[in-house]
Amino acid sequence: ETGVTQTPRHLVMGMTNKKSLKCEQHLGHNAMYWYKQSAKKPLELMFVYNFKEQTENNSVPSRFSPECPNSSHLFLHLHTLQPEDSALYLCASSQGSSSEQYFGPGTRLTVT
Amino acid sequence: AQSVSQHNHHVILSEAASLELGCNYSYGGTVNLFWYVQYPGQHLQLLLKYFSGDPLVKGIKGFEAEFIKSKFSFNLRKPSVQWSDTAEYFCAVSQRTASKLTFGTGTRLQVTL
Repeated sequence: ETGVTQTPRHLVMGMTNKKSLKCEQHLGHNAMYWYKQSAKKPLELMFVYNFKEQTENNSVPSRFSPECPNSSHLFLHLHTLQPEDSALYLCASSQGSSSEQYFGPGTRLTVT
Repeated sequence: AQSVSQHNHHVILSEAASLELGCNYSYGGTVNLFWYVQYPGQHLQLLLKYFSGDPLVKGIKGFEAEFIKSKFSFNLRKPSVQWSDTAEYFCAVSQRTASKLTFGTGTRLQVTL
């Protein structure tokens, strides 16, 4: 399954670093999403983009900054993160905002 | 705000046993319902979905789910599990015309030989 790809797959960063996560979908979808998956907690929706426009920000701290340059690419820029931000970050896409979502493999982020 | 409850956090079954995983949601309007599966080391995959029509939905690998509107439930079933069904299963709900997908905490299924 290579419909939604994410890089890097693993990332270790210090609290003062700046890094970016990348997501690319090859499915021709027009909606893209960022989720956070922490141990023993439900997947948390972070951001939604429809046709490159952000349509939802689920009260995410400003140290997470999304960017959607086109319908196929989605970035999550990270700066001054906290150890509690360590989690699996998942990207997803869908055809239309209310259709089923297809997920990427995730980036395992560790903040030291 | 909508929420999703999966009451079984960890289920252990022997091969050929029948499976039922519970999912209840809290939202009074029209909903779309999903079950996703995450096999060890793999990404989340759609198992089945319900948008409208027949409340008994059949998905991949012999799984099915039944939408019972009066109970706000969408339980997942399989008559006979296999070792390869060992995975984590997530129920998810969205409002009919909205993009926000709300997930349950997941149920870890372990199938023993």
